[in-house]
Amino acid sequence: EAQVTQNPRYLITVTGKKLTVTCSQNMNHEYMSWYRQDPGLGLRQIYYSMNVEVTDKGDVPEGYKVSRKEKRNFPLILESPSPNQTSLYFCATGLAVYNEQFFGPGTRLTVL
Amino acid sequence: SQQGEEDPQALSIQEGENATMNCSYKTSINNLQWYRQNSGRGLVHLILIRSNEREKHSGRLRVTLDTSKKSSSLLITASRAADTASYFCATDGEAGKSTFGDGTTLTVKP
Repeated sequence: EAQVTQNPRYLITVTGKKLTVTCSQNMNHEYMSWYRQDPGLGLRQIYYSMNVEVTDKGDVPEGYKVSRKEKRNFPLILESPSPNQTSLYFCATGLAVYNEQFFGPGTRLTVL
Repeated sequence: SQQGEEDPQALSIQEGENATMNCSYKTSINNLQWYRQNSGRGLVHLILIRSNEREKHSGRLRVTLDTSKKSSSLLITASRAADTASYFCATDGEAGKSTFGDGTTLTVKP
């Protein structure tokens, strides 16, 4: 079954404690992207990757890192989380850039 | 504000009526896409319209694109209670970047 998986689905953590949210896809998609969704602000793109070892900043990259060492995985790293990173995070993938995107189920992160 | 802005922010209609949502954007695009989100869940792709297309249909959905006005509309005909969700437009601009609007929350009353 074609799917995009994110882990964890829910996370409560404290300021400054490094964390990683994983994203994995089994569709052999080239394009992967991370978004955050906040009430009243819609979805904002954090980082995206058009292929292995190619990553670019979206609209809100500050405080986040990503890597794309293999095609199927695109982890989102928060080196030193802060309360303003409390949000709902979505990973999405697409066959290539400019194609429809398939979204993961989301990760709800709370930073205390 | 973001590249895509939906209008209205919220829409409430009766089952069987049509629902129209609009999206405006600021810069040139390659594609415009519409997505649907049920409360707190991942977005689901509805339809993609390319910059050289003016209208597209998919089942009860009709999307129009006017690049001269930098706007798009999504029409859902004969709405059902199950159409209750938030709807987002997304524009694909410079290579790889995707910009989503703030969404329209649609409520369809049985």
